[in-house]
Amino acid sequence: QSALTQPASVSGSPGQSITISCTGTFSDVGGYNSVSWYQHHPDKAPKLMIYDVSNRPSGVSNRFSGSKSGNTASLTISGLQAEDEADYYCSSYTSSITWVFGGGTKLTVL
Amino acid sequence: QITLKESGPTLVKPTQTLTLTCTFSGFSLSTSGVGVGWIRQPPGKALEWLALIYWDDDKRYSPSLKSRLTITKDTSKNQVVLTLTNVDPVDTATYYCARLPVGGTLYFDYWGQGTLVTVSS
Repeated sequence: QSALTQPASVSGSPGQSITISCTGTFSDVGGYNSVSWYQHHPDKAPKLMIYDVSNRPSGVSNRFSGSKSGNTASLTISGLQAEDEADYYCSSYTSSITWVFGGGTKLTVL
Repeated sequence: QITLKESGPTLVKPTQTLTLTCTFSGFSLSTSGVGVGWIRQPPGKALEWLALIYWDDDKRYSPSLKSRLTITKDTSKNQVVLTLTNVDPVDTATYYCARLPVGGTLYFDYWGQGTLVTVSS
């Protein structure tokens, strides 16, 4: 199984919105509403930000939202804050009853 | 409070077997629907899913590593063990364990801090 495709980097200024895409196939992203997004700060545990495409866990800011169209899922962060600067990974369940992660996107808050 | 913590050797020689333990608290791996998985991250690279074990001992493995991986659980000790045989320097990574919560869910809601394993002679 191949890793999901994410842009290597995105950037935005405080207060702006950014979107990170995550492209897979019909065997993973397109076939299941089981896309999740994780925020990863260096030397920390990854943190679940979005699950089941568009659901936010308790405690996650409503500035984070998720969506999906076809084989591509997206994470949107609105009202960018300095603390949002991190690596972001998407993940999807697959038809092989396994999981696959994306290549990761480094978010820089300018 | 749910916590997970990975433990194991920091340095392993090529061709050896790596054994990692995930010790968790705040939930039980005997609860229907719960699972614990392993994910790794080589330095400067992306996360890679490795394996998962369910409450009922059902196991899933990454197709690319299936022949080298074994995942087991000890419910009484709240531990999940991952073994990786015949390690190579490319297996150098931070290894994380994470929980798959109840309810037929397919995401990892709590993660450990990770443990860095270096494969080198």
